[in-house]
Amino acid sequence: QVQLVESGGGLVKPGGSLRLSCAASGFTFSDYYMSWIRQAPGKGLEWVSYISSSGSTIYYADSVKGRFTISRDNAKNSLYLQMNSLRAEDTAVYYCARDKIAAQGTMDVWGKGTTVTVSS
Amino acid sequence: DIQMTQSPSTLSASVGDRVTITCRASQSISSWLAWYQQKPGKAPKLLIYKASSLESGVPSRFSGSGSGTEFTLTISSLQPDDFATYYCQQYNSLFTFGPGTKVDIK
Repeated sequence: QVQLVESGGGLVKPGGSLRLSCAASGFTFSDYYMSWIRQAPGKGLEWVSYISSSGSTIYYADSVKGRFTISRDNAKNSLYLQMNSLRAEDTAVYYCARDKIAAQGTMDVWGKGTTVTVSS
Repeated sequence: DIQMTQSPSTLSASVGDRVTITCRASQSISSWLAWYQQKPGKAPKLLIYKASSLESGVPSRFSGSGSGTEFTLTISSLQPDDFATYYCQQYNSLFTFGPGTKVDIK
């Protein structure tokens, strides 16, 4: 079945780095745009980054621009988020999500999320 | 940047009630609006896209309407499984989520 599984979350000190991964299965990963969305504890959803199917087009939220890098490996059916210079406010559950082909910009498949905690 | 607001922030309702949630955009987003449902500890689920198109598998008691800057999500007859938080999301210019509306039991 169609599935996204995130990994790589954990506890990291302020200023540290972490790389999140998202493994896709059950669909042709290389056909789909993908996003990372996060949710701080007890808060709402915040879009983080977006990458086109080929990886040629990338967008970031202002809150992470210059610190986070999204990438993908279509041969490995995987999406990544390299997070550098982490801050306490980056603490959140990070979800990867698939862009709906018939309605680009909406997310029709989500992973269960991976938790990132930034604390000293 | 486009800002999204939702009202109310919390809504208390009973099973069988008709429920309406409003989402407003700070500028026109045409019909580029989606609605999601999220339950505690779970990932969001897409309900509605392009303001009024029902996602496959979503019950027909959910409907969306609106265009420009004002949108609504309506649940025609609230069911026990519908108690959750609902988010709108614009995708006219990058992506922005609304702050959410929690629907709880009266």
